[in-house]
Amino acid sequence: DAGVTQSPTHLIKTRGQQVTLRCSPISGHKSVSWYQQVLGQGPQFIFQYYEKEERGRGNFPDRFSARQFPNYSSELNVNALLLGDSALYLCASSRGGATGELFFGEGSRLTVL
Amino acid sequence: AQRVTQPEKLLSVFKGAPVELKCNYSYSGSPELFWYVQYSRQRLQLLLRHISRESIKGFTADLNKGETSFHLKKPFAQEEDSAMYYCALSGRSGGGADGLTFGKGTHLIIQP
Repeated sequence: DAGVTQSPTHLIKTRGQQVTLRCSPISGHKSVSWYQQVLGQGPQFIFQYYEKEERGRGNFPDRFSARQFPNYSSELNVNALLLGDSALYLCASSRGGATGELFFGEGSRLTVL
Repeated sequence: AQRVTQPEKLLSVFKGAPVELKCNYSYSGSPELFWYVQYSRQRLQLLLRHISRESIKGFTADLNKGETSFHLKKPFAQEEDSAMYYCALSGRSGGGADGLTFGKGTHLIIQP
């Protein structure tokens, strides 16, 4: 198993644009979580999805949205990008809905100019 | 609000010396605590969790509710322990709805 896969690995956008990040969980994992990691900080929780339903949401504006598909893959969308959205976006999967042990992907590094 | 504090941004010790990475938390209920580690060019991965009470790669961590701490310890550091270590808290054991709250991380360097 390749583990959690994320795409794209790097991308550059300009302020005001929109971005979609994608994540495929480990086979058999039904929960996907998204985290934002700004340089020098720990990951910060954005969303958790379990069985295609939003289970939790962190303290992020409505510009951030996500969804989970029937095959348990997930997308994170960020609209109206700001310079401060520049960060590494991490996706993590787990077997169940509880936080438990998270398996992280390598992340998508977003740079907003 | 739940919070995790790792007071040391960088910790450098010599090989064979004891290691202690500090973690303090703030949470009013019964938290579940974790240590995650990121080795160079690898993904963030779980090192250990307090409910399992096991030793992984020689590391142990005890939850001290009185001091609200979850320090990570190893009696004899090895060069391969060099990595970024994050302490994390889950506010609702088994719930998952709040995700994990991470500290800012401690960069551990083991000198030969």
